[in-house]
Amino acid sequence: ILNVEQSPQSLHVQEGDSTNFTCSFPSSNFYALHWYRWETAKSPEALFVMTLNGDEKKKGRISATLNTKEGYSYLYIKGSQPEDSATYLCAPHTGKLIFGQGTTLQVKP
Amino acid sequence: NAGVTQTPKFRVLKTGQSMTLLCAQDMNHEYMYWYRQDPGMGLRLIHYSVGEGTTAKGEVPDGYNVSRLKKQNFLLGLESAAPSQTSVYFCASSSTGLNTEAFFGQGTRLTVV
Repeated sequence: ILNVEQSPQSLHVQEGDSTNFTCSFPSSNFYALHWYRWETAKSPEALFVMTLNGDEKKKGRISATLNTKEGYSYLYIKGSQPEDSATYLCAPHTGKLIFGQGTTLQVKP
Repeated sequence: NAGVTQTPKFRVLKTGQSMTLLCAQDMNHEYMYWYRQDPGMGLRLIHYSVGEGTTAKGEVPDGYNVSRLKKQNFLLGLESAAPSQTSVYFCASSSTGLNTEAFFGQGTRLTVV
């Protein structure tokens, strides 16, 4: 069973703070690393799919980096807003998508 | 475009009853997945399929069976429901390219009493 670790498990920040989360995964048999945003009472939606070592992706205030050699990815949120409150999931694709437990972010106004 | 549609959205079962959850996608995707969501445990993969007629076990397959007779449909069956199978079930699909995102259905809330 693939061991995907996300940290921290939960995070409370003030509006305007910048924050980052970590996703760790076994680096062998790796094809791509997915990040999803999951709001309460909704379905997960994709943020980024990254495949190359050193890859960086950006969407507005959210960005992500990937290190396939050491098996980790960082997700950064710059200037957090209340609407960023959600659970952020990562999933390495190894022929199937196995998700980490997620990092739940709460942004207080 | 409907995307990924799950049927039903809610269901209450008695212990020992059987049921089938249907996932339908209209994006011609090869990959389809069934996950369950439990508090504090994220999304756990039950079974998945990499194409019509194929299925494979995920992380927590026990107590579930699946079938992919048609490319657009992925069925999840519970032969004899148990209270431990009370959960929210999500279906997802993606295309063959491993760098393409997965699309999720809206979820099915199942309660086994």
